[in-house]
Amino acid sequence: SQTIHQWPATLVQPVGSPLSLECTVEGTSNPNLYWYRQAAGRGLQLLFYSVGIGQISSEVPQNLSASRPQDRQFILSSKKLLLSDSGFYLCAWQNSGNTIYFGEGSWLTVV
Amino acid sequence: GEDVEQSLFLSVREGDSSVINCTYTDSSSTYLYWYKQEPGAGLQLLTYIFSNMDMKQDQRLTVLLNKKDKHLSLRIADTQTGDSAIYFCAEATGGGNKLTFGTGTQLKVEL
Repeated sequence: SQTIHQWPATLVQPVGSPLSLECTVEGTSNPNLYWYRQAAGRGLQLLFYSVGIGQISSEVPQNLSASRPQDRQFILSSKKLLLSDSGFYLCAWQNSGNTIYFGEGSWLTVV
Repeated sequence: GEDVEQSLFLSVREGDSSVINCTYTDSSSTYLYWYKQEPGAGLQLLTYIFSNMDMKQDQRLTVLLNKKDKHLSLRIADTQTGDSAIYFCAEATGGGNKLTFGTGTQLKVEL
């Protein structure tokens, strides 16, 4: 069966520090991968999606970036965090049947 | 553009039926989804419906789709306290590669 893992689950980072959130999927190959952010107020915003290794589409311009160094690995990064980057970050993957499944999320608090 | 709207809150008594409504704008959506998010957790896929269907039933869940009015609803029969959560409606856009989410409906189940 397929599983998705993302880490860390929670982190508190100072303004201006770097960020790296990792996500891996097991049990499938060549999935579409996604990063979503859920800020206070609950709405989900698509940040990045990837249809293959090295292929990243950015939905919202910001100081975040994403990379896909391996088929089932998706990384969300920032060189310098802003207060507004605080939120709940969700990694997700999509199978060939179009359904999208989410990880458990990572809580980021920028202080 | 793509826009998905939901009411923010719904309160029901235990044992009653809950109906959560959603409207969307992209008439080319192929799939429409309902996700459940419990406090501090990721999104759990509840059910989905293909756009050429008008109803789908899965145990206590019934999804109704009115494609003409671009209206989607989720009915939960015999609502239990464990159903308390935020429910997100989402439409698949971008050829099915992306999900656009509503703001979520917080369901509160009272004894």
